[in-house]
Amino acid sequence: GQQLNQSPQSMFIQEGEDVSMNCTSSSIFNTWLWYKQDPGEGPVLLIALYKAGELTSNGRLTAQFGITRKDSFLNISASIPSDVGIYFCAGRTGTASKLTFGTGTRLQVTL
Amino acid sequence: ETGVTQTPRHLVMGMTNKKSLKCEQHLGHNAMYWYKQSAKKPLELMFVYNFKEQTENNSVPSRFSPECPNSSHLFLHLHTLQPEDSALYLCASSQDTAGGVDEQYFGPGTRLTVT
Repeated sequence: GQQLNQSPQSMFIQEGEDVSMNCTSSSIFNTWLWYKQDPGEGPVLLIALYKAGELTSNGRLTAQFGITRKDSFLNISASIPSDVGIYFCAGRTGTASKLTFGTGTRLQVTL
Repeated sequence: ETGVTQTPRHLVMGMTNKKSLKCEQHLGHNAMYWYKQSAKKPLELMFVYNFKEQTENNSVPSRFSPECPNSSHLFLHLHTLQPEDSALYLCASSQDTAGGVDEQYFGPGTRLTVT
């Protein structure tokens, strides 16, 4: 089946630093989504991307839909302690709503 | 209540017990989903309902039995579970299953432990 590879698996950064993570696939996707999951909670949608090359921001978060349609990137600028959590990418092929999820990037922020 | 709610938030059950998980969405959506989240594994889609009709069963063992009485409520009935079924069970909803710009919104999950 389809698989999404996320990297890095985990990262420790200092408050104020910028963060980059990515998601790659061997298959072409027509939608890329980025979710964040806090401990003990469900994933919350951060950014949705629908077009190759699209660059979308949500506050300090910026995500891009790769031009090959096989990857996506998420950047967080000036990280703060509440950015701690697990970030998941998800992709969709075709027109149906079914999503394929990545394994997540665990972000920890130190003061 | 807003968004997607799930009850209970935590559940411990023995392998011979029968229990049910409940999900309710307050978003006016027509599609609902059950996912299983195990440590260090991607979210696994279990079931999809669209307008109360099951449209997908992702080869889930019969000890998991979903029920969708209306577009706002989704249940997962559990019986004779195994310890490896311990996981976070997430419910999600979307406008329907047509995709496009319609995305899935998740509940907080039920943390299930099978002893």
